[in-house]
Amino acid sequence: DAGVTQSPTHLIKTRGQHVTLRCSPISGHKSVSWYQQVLGQGPQFIFQYYEKEERGRGNFPDRFSARQFPNYSSELNVNALLLGDSALYLCASSPDRGGEKLFFGSGTQLSVL
Amino acid sequence: SQQGEEDPQALSIQEGENATMNCSYKTSINNLQWYRQNSGRGLVHLILIRSNEREKHSGRLRVTLDTSKKSSSLLITASRAADTASYFCATDMGGGFKTIFGAGTRLFVKA
Repeated sequence: DAGVTQSPTHLIKTRGQHVTLRCSPISGHKSVSWYQQVLGQGPQFIFQYYEKEERGRGNFPDRFSARQFPNYSSELNVNALLLGDSALYLCASSPDRGGEKLFFGSGTQLSVL
Repeated sequence: SQQGEEDPQALSIQEGENATMNCSYKTSINNLQWYRQNSGRGLVHLILIRSNEREKHSGRLRVTLDTSKKSSSLLITASRAADTASYFCATDMGGGFKTIFGAGTRLFVKA
């Protein structure tokens, strides 16, 4: 079975632009979480979606938004990109609400110039 | 914000030695998890210990949990060069809807 897939793997944007990152969870998994990881730090929680509704939100500005589709795939959108948004964006899925075991994709490396 | 804080930040050992990493957290938890990350890519779940458990083993991994001290430790025995990675503890902060990671311990195992 395929694991969590994220696209694209790498992305270069300029300040002020908008970006959309995509995630396909493991088949049968209903929960998707998004994390931002800056080099040398731990993953920072952005959002969790379960059954297509936002269930958890981290301390990120409103420029960050996400949604989950009926097939449980998810998109993370970031508007008005800042240099500080440069990071590895990780998506994780879990069969149920989560909280016990997350399955991670390989991430999207975003560089903002 | 980060719930867990790992100690040490970095650890360098020889192959065959044991590696111990510690994690402290701030609030009550249902469980604590440890993850591994190679070369800044996706994280892999290693082991979970519940709040009513004190010790758990999985292969060369041994995890302990002390809820009175709000701390956990991960022991990797007989380390190998392939164990070189970053290790993170994580706790559930929102009833399954918010898993928070610590800053991680970078382990380097020299062959």
